[in-house]
Amino acid sequence: GENVEQHPSTLSVQEGDSAVIKCTYSDSASNYFPWYKQELGKRPQLIIDIRSNVGEKKDQRIAVTLNKTAKHFSLHITETQPEDSAVYFCAAHSGAGSYQLTFGKGTKLSVIP
Amino acid sequence: SAVISQKPSRDICQRGTSLTIQCQVDSQVTMMFWYRQQPGQSLTLIATANQGSEATYESGFVIDKFPISRPNLTFSTLTVSNMSPEDSSIYLCSVGRAAYEQYFGPGTRLTVT
Repeated sequence: GENVEQHPSTLSVQEGDSAVIKCTYSDSASNYFPWYKQELGKRPQLIIDIRSNVGEKKDQRIAVTLNKTAKHFSLHITETQPEDSAVYFCAAHSGAGSYQLTFGKGTKLSVIP
Repeated sequence: SAVISQKPSRDICQRGTSLTIQCQVDSQVTMMFWYRQQPGQSLTLIATANQGSEATYESGFVIDKFPISRPNLTFSTLTVSNMSPEDSSIYLCSVGRAAYEQYFGPGTRLTVT
């Protein structure tokens, strides 16, 4: 089955700096890669996703890049703000014929004011 | 996106008892999933709730311990049976929308004493 590795597990940045979180996946048939943000005590929220037919997608201060050859994808947050502090999870669709997602272990991002 | 609710939001139960968690969606969805999130951990898929047929369980999860019902396209239940302290966790349902997107319910925080 699919295996998703996520790094780093914790990340501290100064407010205004950029943050990058990286994930690798194992199943070359996976073609959908979402990112979730989970604030303390809240549900995971889908913040951005990318499909295998594109290499990059942006939404305001967040962007995701995908390298299918290397089987890795990354989340980029620019001009970080304290409200970006949360745990971020990457995930990969688990392959052809399946709707399942396999999640990474998460990255706790702390933005220091 | 769909409005997803779960009941109860939290509960404290004694070991050996069972708890049924409900997940309600405000529109019909094909795919519903149940996840477990242990404290400080990632999301682990328990099973896919199939409408009109038995749920599909992931490795390590069995029907006797986590029976699931899916009577229609807007509702599902997960029962945690014969609970032990190791079952203390957050249980989340999610719904699948077009093209693999998943949205999570608010979760049920279960503590077993």
